[in-house]
Amino acid sequence: EDQVTQSPEALRLQEGESSSLNCSYTVSGLRGLFWYRQDPGKGPEFLFTLYSAGEEKEKERLKATLTKKESFLHITAPKPEDSATYLCAVQALDWGDSSYKLIFGSGTRLLVRP
Amino acid sequence: DGGITQSPKYLFRKEGQNVTLSCEQNLNHDAMYWYRQDPGQGLRLIYYSQIVNDFQKGDIAEGYSVSREKKESFPLTVTSAQKNPTAFYLCASSIQGLNYGYTFGSGTRLTVV
Repeated sequence: EDQVTQSPEALRLQEGESSSLNCSYTVSGLRGLFWYRQDPGKGPEFLFTLYSAGEEKEKERLKATLTKKESFLHITAPKPEDSATYLCAVQALDWGDSSYKLIFGSGTRLLVRP
Repeated sequence: DGGITQSPKYLFRKEGQNVTLSCEQNLNHDAMYWYRQDPGQGLRLIYYSQIVNDFQKGDIAEGYSVSREKKESFPLTVTSAQKNPTAFYLCASSIQGLNYGYTFGSGTRLTVV
């Protein structure tokens, strides 16, 4: 069964304290891995797409990396405005109708204290 | 600006009542999706549509119905058969066949009263 697991569930950091969020997956027919940011009461906002092992993407204080079985979202010197839930999703083939669908993890709630 | 509009932002449903959530997009995307989000859980797929007048059930379709009469619109009806409808509902769209990920609306929070 296709599955995406994110850890930790929640993470509290002091401003400036760097850390990493993990997304591990077991899927067949992987096409891409996506990171989203979600603020309370809002829809997810796209951050990155990673396609192959070894690939890295950066945006401001965020850097996403991908291996064959997991992805990391590294947050360098975070600020309070980085507080949000970060969602990982894997685009995998649905063998039933040959379409690609996103399978989401349950997210990591990040709180950055000033 | 292109995007996805969901309405209403908040919706209250009485027991035994059907309610419809609106989702409109002006991105010219072919595919549209409905997800349900509960606290501490990932997004779960309710229904999706890849082209007009065609849609498929997702993982938790029971108690829900959809239509896709226009490319821009994909309304979701939560029927009285859905016994636990209180949740945050998200609509998304994508360019089918390309690896761009999804664009999400701002969500509708449905509460049973």
